[in-house]
Amino acid sequence: AQSVAQPEDQVNVAEGNPLTVKCTYSVSGNPYLFWYVQYPNRGLQFLLKYITGDNLVKGSYGFEAEFNKSQTSFHLKKPSALVSDSALYFCAVREGYNNNDMRFGAGTRLTVKP
Amino acid sequence: NAGVTQTPKFQVLKTGQSMTLQCAQDMNHEYMSWYRQDPGMGLRLIHYSVGAGITDQGEVPNGYNVSRSTTEDFPLRLLSAAPSQTSVYFCASSLVRGGNTIYFGEGSWLTVV
Repeated sequence: AQSVAQPEDQVNVAEGNPLTVKCTYSVSGNPYLFWYVQYPNRGLQFLLKYITGDNLVKGSYGFEAEFNKSQTSFHLKKPSALVSDSALYFCAVREGYNNNDMRFGAGTRLTVKP
Repeated sequence: NAGVTQTPKFQVLKTGQSMTLQCAQDMNHEYMSWYRQDPGMGLRLIHYSVGAGITDQGEVPNGYNVSRSTTEDFPLRLLSAAPSQTSVYFCASSLVRGGNTIYFGEGSWLTVV
């Protein structure tokens, strides 16, 4: 069965600095990988996905993520953090076609300080 | 488009009471689902539906029922509320079962006392 881990509960960065939110996964076959963001008292919003192709995928709000098959990682990155990026970030993985097989990480709270 | 709409946003229940969380989407999505979100545990799938008249259990289905009489609506029923069901509930949908973008509602905060 697929699983995903976000090793950091909390990430703090200063505005303008690069940020990284880490994610590792475990699947038997080829992974479908996703990042979602949750702002306070809101639902999750889709940021980006990796299905196949280029290992570096670009998404909304200037975020990008790098798929690394050998390290089974899919870290979320942004070159220059904004205070408005402060939110809860979820990594998710599914192995096959079905969204009912999607597994979400526990989430990482990103705080960007001015 | 309103997207995925959930009601109520907040609810307090007494142990043993029943209630229904409503979910509607206006995007003509085939796939709908319910998740619960608990601190440190991410989102866990309760029930899902791949189309009107078809529902199935997810990871944590006990204590919950669902039905899908129309494409638009997917209500979640708590049969006899327990404190362990205190959580934030999210309804979500995607165009098809394998749709690569899942759309979430804004959540329903449920407290069972």
